[in-house]
Amino acid sequence: AQSVTQLDSHVSVSEGTPVLLRCNYSSSYSPSLFWYVQHPNKGLQLLLKYTSAATLVKGINGFEAEFKKSETSFHLTKPSAHMSDAAEYFCVVGLWTGGGNKLTFGTGTQLKVEL
Amino acid sequence: DTAVSQTPKYLVTQMGNDKSIKCEQNLGHDTMYWYKQDSKKFLKIMFSYNNKELIINETVPNRFSPKSPDKAHLNLHINSLELGDSAVYFCASSPRLQGASGANVLTFGAGSRLTVL
Repeated sequence: AQSVTQLDSHVSVSEGTPVLLRCNYSSSYSPSLFWYVQHPNKGLQLLLKYTSAATLVKGINGFEAEFKKSETSFHLTKPSAHMSDAAEYFCVVGLWTGGGNKLTFGTGTQLKVEL
Repeated sequence: DTAVSQTPKYLVTQMGNDKSIKCEQNLGHDTMYWYKQDSKKFLKIMFSYNNKELIINETVPNRFSPKSPDKAHLNLHINSLELGDSAVYFCASSPRLQGASGANVLTFGAGSRLTVL
């Protein structure tokens, strides 16, 4: 079984300040972990993916995430927020079940960026 | 060129009707999926097909019937629509199954917003 918990449903930051979106996961196996972003009325876009290579993963638009097995965490960060970063962010744990890929989504964190 | 395209983007219908949502991908992927996003933005997998074969079927009412005429298409047909079916339905695709090396990256369509009145 696998699950993912996004600890904050809403995060608000000022433009130019750091972003931290928190995610904890649970998985019976070595997980694949993803962050997806959803802009208003749009589909989901992959930000970054972890699959047991380097624990610090760099993604698009300046985002990165660090896999910490001891803390079962995969927090998303960005040094300096931009207005265009305002969106819904989903932490996802993935598993190949033998019958197919299965992604389990977190409940999402809405990021608000203020001037 | 849109990688994963869904039609229609918006669908408003009455309870009890039957409707379909179509999905096509031009990425050459072997696996396609349907996800449902509820009003609280929670996303849950409904179905997964690999090369036209059903491989994941979550606990979904049998009023929902996916159909994959070829590996580039996965359509979702819904019979006897209910109010609770109102949601955004996302189609996605991924490369062929990788196995123990990890789950694949999914490419999502823009979503189809279904409203049942």
